Amino acid sequence: DIQMTQSPSSLSASLGDRVTISCRASQSVHNYLNWFQQRPGKAPRLLIYATTSLQGGVPSRFSGSGSGTEFTLTISSLQPDDFATYFCQQTYTVPFGFGPGTTVDVK
Amino acid sequence: EVLLAESGGGLVQPGGSLRLSCVPSGFTVSDNYMSWVRQGPGKGLQWLTIIYSGGGADYAGSVKGRFTVSRDTSKNTLYLQMSDLRVEDSGIYYCAGGYTTSWHNFWGQGTLVTVSS
Repeated sequence: DIQMTQSPSSLSASLGDRVTISCRASQSVHNYLNWFQQRPGKAPRLLIYATTSLQGGVPSRFSGSGSGTEFTLTISSLQPDDFATYFCQQTYTVPFGFGPGTTVDVK
Repeated sequence: EVLLAESGGGLVQPGGSLRLSCVPSGFTVSDNYMSWVRQGPGKGLQWLTIIYSGGGADYAGSVKGRFTVSRDTSKNTLYLQMSDLRVEDSGIYYCAGGYTTSWHNFWGQGTLVTVSS
């Protein structure tokens, strides 16, 4: 199975900050990498699919990059709705595992 | 607007069985791809299974042989039949759907399963 890791596991940031979250796969997943946001008590929400494509309705301050085994989610200017937990997921090969998550909270 | 609604969660004893359902609106189960994802208490997301548009399915190793995903075309409903349940199977179970295998952008609100004696 492909193992997914994320760093950091949590971070504290202020409104307007630029935030970057890293995701690493134990072997290449090519560009089959998705990012989800989950707010407390809510279902996950797809933000980015296929590494760089922004899901409809997601603000343009979110962006994704990377390839192979190294990927990044960037929030260009942190907004109040962005305090949440973020998960990456590979869908290159089953099982389609998730990373352990990165929690973004208020500094 | 596509909405997914899960049901069937509850309290079950270890070794017991439970069947979860997921009913979408604005989305056809048999034409698309659907998954079940679990979230243990205070934990991350765990992918469990996918059923493909052609009807085939794949499973995570931890549930293979115990869980079965299926769909009823006439009812436009997705199911997850769970047997030999363990305490570690407890959590919120989400169904998710999409037009491709590679990403699922439609998610339900989840149904809670508690396995405890």
